[in-house]
This record gives sequence, structure tokens and C-alpha cells, in this order.
Amino acid sequence: GQNIDQPTEMTATEGAIVQINCTYQTSGFNGLFWYQQHAGEAPTFLSYNVLDGLEEKGRFSSFLSRSKGYSYLLLKELQMKDSASYLCAVRDPSGGSYIPTFGRGTSLIVHP
Amino acid sequence: ETGVTQTPRHLVMGMTNKKSLKCEQHLGHNAMYWYKQSAKKPLELMFVYSLEERVENNSVPSRFSPECPNSSHLFLHLHTLQPEDSALYLCASSQAESYEQYFGPGTRLTVT
Repeated sequence: GQNIDQPTEMTATEGAIVQINCTYQTSGFNGLFWYQQHAGEAPTFLSYNVLDGLEEKGRFSSFLSRSKGYSYLLLKELQMKDSASYLCAVRDPSGGSYIPTFGRGTSLIVHP
Repeated sequence: ETGVTQTPRHLVMGMTNKKSLKCEQHLGHNAMYWYKQSAKKPLELMFVYSLEERVENNSVPSRFSPECPNSSHLFLHLHTLQPEDSALYLCASSQAESYEQYFGPGTRLTVT
């Protein structure tokens, strides 16, 4: 089976740093995705990790530890426009499919 | 147009109606997906088409019927829906099943 956990909601202050965690328990693993979804809009791809370590892309970074079944998305220099839902998705090919399974998402609220 | 488009953006239908959702991707991708997104729940994968063949059907009720006439177009035919089917229906595409997905803006469906 698959179990992907993220906090439901987080709040942070403009200009600060926030870390959104994702833990997963899957039979297999072949990559983890992060997506951003603004209210009423489509999810958009942020990052992909398949090896352990940190991937940096501008203000956003994503970290993966396969041995711990853990990832986080780090957002620096927060802006009001970063208020959105952040979706973690894990690819588990043990069942024969390479299509990722999504977590419930973390709603991030950035306030002034 | 670029990216993934969906029509209509909003749909209200009675339980006895028949309607169709349309998705079009302009990215030259080979795989297309239908997802259901309900409040407080993870994205639920409904159907997957790869090279115009259905490769996955996640125990979706028969009142939802997908159609993929070519690699750029995907339809979801709806009939005799239930109020619990009210949700945001998202279409996505990807270069192949293992690549990151590009989502359309969704159709907000309300069943009365």
C-alpha cells in the first residue's frame, strides 16, 4: 500500500523561511514530486527528487532522504504570492505503474 | 493556445443529465490523465491514457466514461451522476507516464 503524509496547514510571515515536510511509506520508490496549486488554479510542477540530497531552484529547494521516507520543500524569502497548496507526490512502481500518488497537500498561508 | 486547456470551466448538472468534459493538450505529450479533486482529499487518479490506449482505470464508477480520440484530446462523459461526484475535475498530460505532469485549470462540477 501507499501512505503519504503532509501537514494540513501552515502559516508563515512574508520574508521568512518555511519548510513543508512530506513522509511516505510505500512498497517501492522511484521519485518524489512537489507541485504548487493556487486556489482555483491548476497544480504546477516545482521539483523532482529521485536521489538523496538537496535540489535547489531559486527560492525553492527540495530535499529527499530515501532511507527515512522523507522529503521537504523549503521556501525562502517568502512572498505573499507563495500562499498556495503544496502537493507531494510519490512514484511507487511496485504495483506496475509509474504514475505518482498524491498526498492531501499542505495549505500555506503567508501573512504580512 | 499553449499548455493544457479544459472546457467548460464550470458545470452545474442534474442527476439525470448527460454532459461531457473536454481536455486538449498542445504540448506534444503521449500520456493524458483525468483526476478528481475533492476538498480535504488527495488528488484521485481516475483514468490514464498512453498513446491513446487506456492503461489505468482506478475502480471508477461506470457513470464516468473516458474517451481519447487522439493524443491531443481527452473527454470525460458523465451520466446519472450523484451529488457526491461534485468536485474539481483536472486533466493532465505528460511526455510519458514517468515524467512530470502538466495540469489544466480544471472543471468545477456541481451535481444537483
